[in-house]
Amino acid sequence: GEDVEQSLFLSVREGDSSVINCTYTDSSSTYLYWYKQEPGAGLQLLTYIFSNMDMKQDQRLTVLLNKKDKHLSLRIADTQTGDSAIYFCAESKGSAGNKLTFGGGTRVLVKP
Amino acid sequence: GAVVSQHPSWVICKSGTSVKIECRSLDFQATTMFWYRQFPKQSLMLMATSNEGSKATYEQGVEKDKFLINHASLTLSTLTVTSAHPEDSSFYICSASGLALREQYFGPGTRLTVT
Repeated sequence: GEDVEQSLFLSVREGDSSVINCTYTDSSSTYLYWYKQEPGAGLQLLTYIFSNMDMKQDQRLTVLLNKKDKHLSLRIADTQTGDSAIYFCAESKGSAGNKLTFGGGTRVLVKP
Repeated sequence: GAVVSQHPSWVICKSGTSVKIECRSLDFQATTMFWYRQFPKQSLMLMATSNEGSKATYEQGVEKDKFLINHASLTLSTLTVTSAHPEDSSFYICSASGLALREQYFGPGTRLTVT
Protein backbone atom coordinates (compact mmCIF):
# COMPACT_ATOMS: atom_id res chain seq x y z
CA GLY A 1 0.00 0.00 0.00
CA GLU A 2 0.94 3.63 0.02
CA ASP A 3 3.39 4.82 2.64
CA VAL A 4 5.00 8.19 3.17
CA GLU A 5 7.63 8.67 5.85
CA GLN A 6 9.40 11.64 7.35
CA SER A 7 11.80 12.26 10.19
CA LEU A 8 10.05 13.56 13.29
CA PHE A 9 12.06 16.59 14.28
CA LEU A 10 14.55 19.13 12.95
CA SER A 11 16.27 21.89 14.89
CA VAL A 12 18.01 24.68 12.99
CA ARG A 13 19.53 28.05 13.78
CA GLU A 14 18.00 31.19 12.35
CA GLY A 15 19.69 32.12 9.08
CA ASP A 16 20.83 28.59 8.32
CA SER A 17 19.29 26.34 5.69
CA SER A 18 16.81 23.62 6.67
CA VAL A 19 16.44 20.38 4.77
CA ILE A 20 13.40 18.21 5.40
CA ASN A 21 13.38 14.75 3.90
CA CYS A 22 10.56 12.46 2.83
CA THR A 23 10.40 9.00 1.31
CA TYR A 24 7.46 7.34 -0.37
CA THR A 25 6.79 3.88 -1.65
CA ASP A 26 4.24 4.28 -4.44
CA SER A 27 6.03 4.69 -7.75
CA SER A 28 2.80 5.73 -9.45
CA SER A 29 2.62 8.95 -7.44
CA THR A 30 2.01 11.84 -9.80
CA TYR A 31 2.22 14.92 -7.61
CA LEU A 32 4.26 15.42 -4.48
CA TYR A 33 3.46 18.24 -2.09
CA TRP A 34 4.87 20.08 0.86
CA TYR A 35 2.46 21.60 3.37
CA LYS A 36 3.10 23.73 6.43
CA GLN A 37 0.94 23.61 9.55
CA GLU A 38 1.24 26.12 12.34
CA PRO A 39 -0.19 25.33 15.81
CA GLY A 40 -3.96 25.04 15.83
CA ALA A 41 -4.27 25.87 12.15
CA GLY A 42 -5.03 24.11 8.90
CA LEU A 43 -2.54 23.25 6.21
CA GLN A 44 -0.90 25.75 3.93
CA LEU A 45 0.37 24.49 0.60
CA LEU A 46 3.98 25.59 0.20
CA THR A 47 4.87 24.00 -3.09
CA TYR A 48 4.39 20.90 -5.18
CA ILE A 49 6.30 19.08 -7.85
CA PHE A 50 5.16 16.92 -10.71
CA SER A 51 6.75 13.50 -10.83
CA ASN A 52 8.55 14.14 -14.12
CA MET A 53 10.49 17.03 -12.60
CA ASP A 54 13.76 16.81 -10.66
CA MET A 55 13.77 20.19 -9.02
CA LYS A 56 11.58 23.18 -8.40
CA GLN A 57 12.59 26.45 -6.80
CA ASP A 58 10.27 29.08 -5.43
CA GLN A 59 11.94 31.96 -3.59
CA ARG A 60 13.47 30.45 -0.42
CA LEU A 61 12.08 26.99 -1.12
CA THR A 62 13.79 24.33 -3.21
CA VAL A 63 12.21 20.93 -3.81
CA LEU A 64 14.34 18.05 -5.01
CA LEU A 65 12.83 14.82 -6.27
CA ASN A 66 14.78 11.62 -6.78
CA LYS A 67 12.22 9.43 -8.43
CA LYS A 68 14.52 6.42 -8.63
CA ASP A 69 15.02 6.41 -4.85
CA LYS A 70 11.48 7.77 -4.17
CA HIS A 71 13.00 10.54 -2.12
CA LEU A 72 11.68 14.08 -1.82
CA SER A 73 13.31 16.94 0.05
CA LEU A 74 12.43 20.52 0.89
CA ARG A 75 15.19 23.02 1.47
CA ILE A 76 14.37 26.30 3.16
CA ALA A 77 17.08 28.90 2.68
CA ASP A 78 17.78 31.56 5.33
CA THR A 79 15.42 29.93 7.82
CA GLN A 80 13.45 32.39 9.95
CA THR A 81 11.71 31.95 13.32
CA GLY A 82 8.40 32.19 11.46
CA ASP A 83 9.33 28.98 9.67
CA SER A 84 8.89 27.03 12.92
CA ALA A 85 5.99 24.69 12.21
CA ILE A 86 5.16 21.14 11.22
CA TYR A 87 5.90 20.28 7.62
CA PHE A 88 4.03 17.48 5.87
CA CYS A 89 4.90 15.87 2.60
CA ALA A 90 2.11 14.23 0.68
CA GLU A 91 1.59 12.37 -2.55
CA SER A 92 -1.30 11.91 -4.90
CA LYS A 93 -1.98 10.28 -8.19
CA GLY A 94 -3.53 12.28 -10.98
CA SER A 95 -5.37 15.52 -10.44
CA ALA A 96 -6.13 17.55 -7.34
CA GLY A 97 -9.39 15.67 -7.05
CA ASN A 98 -7.51 12.57 -5.99
CA LYS A 99 -6.85 11.85 -2.35
CA LEU A 100 -3.62 12.80 -0.63
CA THR A 101 -1.52 10.46 1.45
CA PHE A 102 0.41 12.32 4.10
CA GLY A 103 3.63 11.62 5.88
CA GLY A 104 3.74 11.86 9.65
CA GLY A 105 5.08 15.41 9.65
CA THR A 106 8.41 16.93 10.62
CA ARG A 107 8.42 19.43 13.44
CA VAL A 108 10.89 22.20 12.63
CA LEU A 109 12.15 24.38 15.44
CA VAL A 110 14.11 27.48 14.50
CA LYS A 111 16.34 28.81 17.25
CA PRO A 112 17.33 32.49 17.28
CA GLY B 1 -5.66 32.03 -3.98
CA ALA B 2 -8.64 29.79 -3.31
CA VAL B 3 -10.11 30.09 0.17
CA VAL B 4 -11.81 27.40 2.22
CA SER B 5 -13.54 28.19 5.50
CA GLN B 6 -14.77 25.95 8.28
CA HIS B 7 -17.37 26.61 10.91
CA PRO B 8 -17.20 26.42 13.82
CA SER B 9 -13.50 26.76 14.54
CA TRP B 10 -13.95 24.96 17.82
CA VAL B 11 -16.82 23.26 19.58
CA ILE B 12 -17.39 21.53 22.91
CA CYS B 13 -20.32 19.15 23.16
CA LYS B 14 -21.67 16.61 25.59
CA SER B 15 -21.33 12.91 25.01
CA GLY B 16 -24.27 11.51 23.06
CA THR B 17 -25.10 14.68 21.16
CA SER B 18 -24.49 15.37 17.46
CA VAL B 19 -22.29 18.07 16.03
CA LYS B 20 -22.29 19.51 12.51
CA ILE B 21 -19.18 21.02 10.95
CA GLU B 22 -19.40 23.09 7.77
CA CYS B 23 -16.79 23.42 5.08
CA ARG B 24 -17.23 26.14 2.45
CA SER B 25 -15.28 27.09 -0.64
CA LEU B 26 -15.56 30.86 -0.75
CA ASP B 27 -14.32 31.79 -4.21
CA PHE B 28 -14.43 28.65 -6.32
CA GLN B 29 -16.68 25.71 -7.04
CA ALA B 30 -15.51 22.64 -5.17
CA THR B 31 -16.37 19.55 -7.15
CA THR B 32 -14.59 17.39 -4.59
CA MET B 33 -14.22 17.85 -0.87
CA PHE B 34 -12.21 15.78 1.56
CA TRP B 35 -12.58 15.33 5.31
CA TYR B 36 -9.59 14.53 7.51
CA ARG B 37 -9.09 14.07 11.21
CA GLN B 38 -5.89 14.78 13.05
CA PHE B 39 -5.02 13.60 16.55
CA PRO B 40 -2.49 15.60 18.59
CA LYS B 41 1.02 15.40 17.17
CA GLN B 42 -0.09 13.05 14.44
CA SER B 43 -0.61 13.26 10.73
CA LEU B 44 -3.86 13.80 8.86
CA MET B 45 -5.94 10.72 8.24
CA LEU B 46 -8.42 10.85 5.37
CA MET B 47 -11.92 9.98 6.51
CA ALA B 48 -13.92 10.37 3.31
CA THR B 49 -14.08 11.92 -0.12
CA SER B 50 -17.25 13.59 -1.32
CA ASN B 51 -18.21 14.67 -4.80
CA GLU B 52 -20.99 17.20 -5.24
CA GLY B 53 -24.35 15.53 -5.63
CA SER B 54 -23.24 12.00 -4.86
CA LYS B 55 -22.64 9.85 -1.81
CA ALA B 56 -19.35 10.15 0.00
CA THR B 57 -16.69 7.47 -0.29
CA TYR B 58 -15.44 6.48 3.14
CA GLU B 59 -12.00 5.16 3.98
CA GLN B 60 -11.68 1.76 5.54
CA GLY B 61 -12.47 1.80 9.24
CA VAL B 62 -14.53 4.99 9.16
CA GLU B 63 -18.14 4.46 10.20
CA LYS B 64 -20.38 6.14 7.65
CA ASP B 65 -23.39 6.05 9.97
CA LYS B 66 -21.45 7.89 12.62
CA PHE B 67 -19.76 10.45 10.40
CA LEU B 68 -22.45 11.73 8.05
CA ILE B 69 -21.18 13.71 5.09
CA ASN B 70 -23.33 15.83 2.83
CA HIS B 71 -22.04 17.67 -0.24
CA ALA B 72 -25.25 19.13 -1.59
CA SER B 73 -23.79 22.16 -3.36
CA LEU B 74 -20.58 23.13 -5.11
CA THR B 75 -19.58 25.39 -2.24
CA LEU B 76 -20.66 23.52 0.87
CA SER B 77 -19.97 20.18 2.50
CA THR B 78 -20.99 19.22 6.02
CA LEU B 79 -19.70 16.59 8.42
CA THR B 80 -22.03 15.53 11.21
CA VAL B 81 -20.59 13.55 14.08
CA THR B 82 -23.55 11.64 15.46
CA SER B 83 -23.81 10.45 19.06
CA ALA B 84 -20.40 11.87 19.80
CA HIS B 85 -18.14 10.23 22.35
CA PRO B 86 -14.94 11.48 24.00
CA GLU B 87 -12.84 9.38 21.62
CA ASP B 88 -14.26 11.46 18.74
CA SER B 89 -12.46 14.49 20.15
CA SER B 90 -10.05 15.55 17.45
CA PHE B 91 -9.09 18.24 14.96
CA TYR B 92 -11.23 17.90 11.83
CA ILE B 93 -9.92 19.47 8.63
CA CYS B 94 -11.60 19.71 5.26
CA SER B 95 -10.07 20.40 1.89
CA ALA B 96 -11.58 21.21 -1.46
CA SER B 97 -10.59 21.05 -5.08
CA GLY B 98 -12.23 22.21 -8.27
CA LEU B 99 -11.98 21.14 -11.87
CA ALA B 100 -9.58 23.92 -12.81
CA LEU B 101 -7.43 23.64 -9.73
CA ARG B 102 -4.23 21.68 -9.46
CA GLU B 103 -4.21 21.33 -5.71
CA GLN B 104 -6.47 20.91 -2.73
CA TYR B 105 -7.10 23.91 -0.53
CA PHE B 106 -7.44 23.29 3.17
CA GLY B 107 -9.76 24.84 5.68
CA PRO B 108 -8.44 26.12 9.02
CA GLY B 109 -9.80 23.11 10.90
CA THR B 110 -12.38 22.55 13.62
CA ARG B 111 -11.38 21.38 17.06
CA LEU B 112 -14.03 19.13 18.57
CA THR B 113 -13.99 18.29 22.25
CA VAL B 114 -16.56 15.83 23.57
CA THR B 115 -17.04 15.85 27.33
